[in-house]
Amino acid sequence: DADVTQTPRNRITKTGKRIMLECSQTKGHDRMYWYRQDPGLGLRLIYYSFDVKDINKGEISDGYSVSRQAQAKFSLSLESAIPNQTALYFCATSDFGPNQPQHFGDGTRLSIL
Amino acid sequence: GQQVMQIPQYQHVQEGEDFTTYCNSSTTLSNIQWYKQRPGGHPVFLIQLVKSGEVKKQKRLTFQFGEAKKNSSLHITATQTTDVGTYFCVLMDTGRRALTFGSGTRLQVQP
Repeated sequence: DADVTQTPRNRITKTGKRIMLECSQTKGHDRMYWYRQDPGLGLRLIYYSFDVKDINKGEISDGYSVSRQAQAKFSLSLESAIPNQTALYFCATSDFGPNQPQHFGDGTRLSIL
Repeated sequence: GQQVMQIPQYQHVQEGEDFTTYCNSSTTLSNIQWYKQRPGGHPVFLIQLVKSGEVKKQKRLTFQFGEAKKNSSLHITATQTTDVGTYFCVLMDTGRRALTFGSGTRLQVQP
């Protein structure tokens, strides 16, 4: 969805570097999510936030941190990148309430050498 | 968290053939969602099933939720090249209050 914007779209960096991936949305949704996708696999949840003061760990949070700066912004950081964090990263949003569909950004392709 | 198995992992069909992907859980699901991801794209929501035995149709796509709410299927009638992509079933992990994605079924359609 064009309403969910991820930056950068592609990034190549070196082991040990700190990296921040950013996500912003104009959908007015309270809930935001970060996923990673590895080749041939489904999406795995890293962190999610149900509002500005709410941060929750997902399935694979080790090595990652997040910041919910505002309702519209949710950033993902890799404090010290390692090669096995090479993946496609997606941000998603959903409206308040149970079982709401998620709306995804176009993804950030991250390569760590 | 809850786990879901999706089969097959990959299917290659001739255009015009039918296609079905299955999603199976060992536990009862509150609901299930289906998403499609085109090559190079992001997942896009298709549908949600909530009720036991529910069947929903979207043109050539038919979605079913099992009577015991432990399995679901997506059937595509007379595939077209526009159906190419990976289809994911997605369930709500009630513990985390967040979605868990199946591993997906990649569909390739030969013109």
